[in-house]
Amino acid sequence: NAGVMQNPRHLVRRRGQEARLRCSPMKGHSHVYWYRQLPEEGLKFMVYLQKENIIDESGMPKERFSAEFPKEGPSILRIQQVVRGDSAAYFCASSPRGPGETQYFGPGTRLLVL
Amino acid sequence: LAKTTQPISMDSYEGQEVNITCSHNNIATNDYITWYQQFPSQGPRFIIQGYKTKVTNEVASLFIPADRKSSTLSLPRVSLSDTAVYYCLVGAGRDSSGDKLTFGTGTRLAVRP
Repeated sequence: NAGVMQNPRHLVRRRGQEARLRCSPMKGHSHVYWYRQLPEEGLKFMVYLQKENIIDESGMPKERFSAEFPKEGPSILRIQQVVRGDSAAYFCASSPRGPGETQYFGPGTRLLVL
Repeated sequence: LAKTTQPISMDSYEGQEVNITCSHNNIATNDYITWYQQFPSQGPRFIIQGYKTKVTNEVASLFIPADRKSSTLSLPRVSLSDTAVYYCLVGAGRDSSGDKLTFGTGTRLAVRP
């Protein structure tokens, strides 16, 4: 039973490029969460999605960031026109039901913007 | 705005019991309390979850007083491999909002030989 998978594990982008981060939830999980973590800080919630729906995006920056969780395929966090401040570790988690359930985290994608 | 407060760091020695307390004064009636462990360069890993009184599993115990305004994670007989950051997270079910899903800065536990 594979856990939450994220790819790529490391991503380097130049300022102005686009970054696409992928997350495959655990089998049977239909709820996905994205978090961002800066060095020496805790995880900051970004967005919560259920299949084909965004449930809560209160932690997402209003511009340049978007997320989707299509009916088929992984959830994708997309960052357009990246800036140096976007450099961070991005973690995805999944749960079988809502946020009150235990969340299972992936290994994260480390984004570095040059 | 739900908020949790934990000590920034703790030190311990192998074989000792470690207790990490989290304050959550604004906990709501339907909130559960969950603790996660995070090693460097890895995603957080679930340790234990509880609602009230005491919960125990194979790795830890969670003590929650009657008023639920705090909780204590107890790690029995820690080893070097327990050196990690421990996060307390308070959140509800279907009605959770994003602020409740934000982890605090956590407690950095250092276990020494």
